[in-house]
Amino acid sequence: DGGITQSPKYLFRKEGQNVTLSCEQNLNHDAMYWYRQDPGQGLRLIYYSQIVNDFQKGDIAEGYSVSREKKESFPLTVTSAQKNPTAFYLCASRQPPNEQYFGPGTRLTVT
Amino acid sequence: KQEVTQIPAALSVPEGENLVLNCSFTDSAIYNLQWFRQDPGKGLTSLLLIQSSQREQTSGRLNASLDKSSGRSTLYIAASQPGDSATYLCAVCPGANSKLTFGKGITLSVRP
Repeated sequence: DGGITQSPKYLFRKEGQNVTLSCEQNLNHDAMYWYRQDPGQGLRLIYYSQIVNDFQKGDIAEGYSVSREKKESFPLTVTSAQKNPTAFYLCASRQPPNEQYFGPGTRLTVT
Repeated sequence: KQEVTQIPAALSVPEGENLVLNCSFTDSAIYNLQWFRQDPGKGLTSLLLIQSSQREQTSGRLNASLDKSSGRSTLYIAASQPGDSATYLCAVCPGANSKLTFGKGITLSVRP
């Protein structure tokens, strides 16, 4: 089955802790993306990577970090510097210029 | 800067109705446009991709049209069903390797 997997589906953390969200794809896509979705705000781009070992900041990168050491993996770390980390996080991949596909999402709750 | 608008934010229709969802964008220089569906608490599912050279794309009961010159796309849903209830988002891509710009979506409710 080809697709994008995100784990875990739900994640709970205490304030001040870093947390890493997993995103894996077996679609052989070059480009991968991380978005954050909040009610009423739409999708906001956090980071994206167009090729292995390279990534760029999106619109709201502060408090987040990523790595792209393998083509199929693009983990996102939510650091303690992110002021409001509770949100729904979506990973996506694409083989430009074709369709973009999304994973099922991870809901992060920080208390 | 490209802006994508979807109005209204929410729509409620009775089952069986044919309906049109609108998407407008400010910069007509787009490479392609994609329509997605999102169910509550889930990821986005790609519905249709229209290339800039195309006027429309069809998949089952769905038909998406594109008018670049007027900065508009419409998603037509025929004979709507309660299972069509979801949020529908459009996204434009300005270039082959560019990132997508998303609208905020239209939340559709189809009443039995």
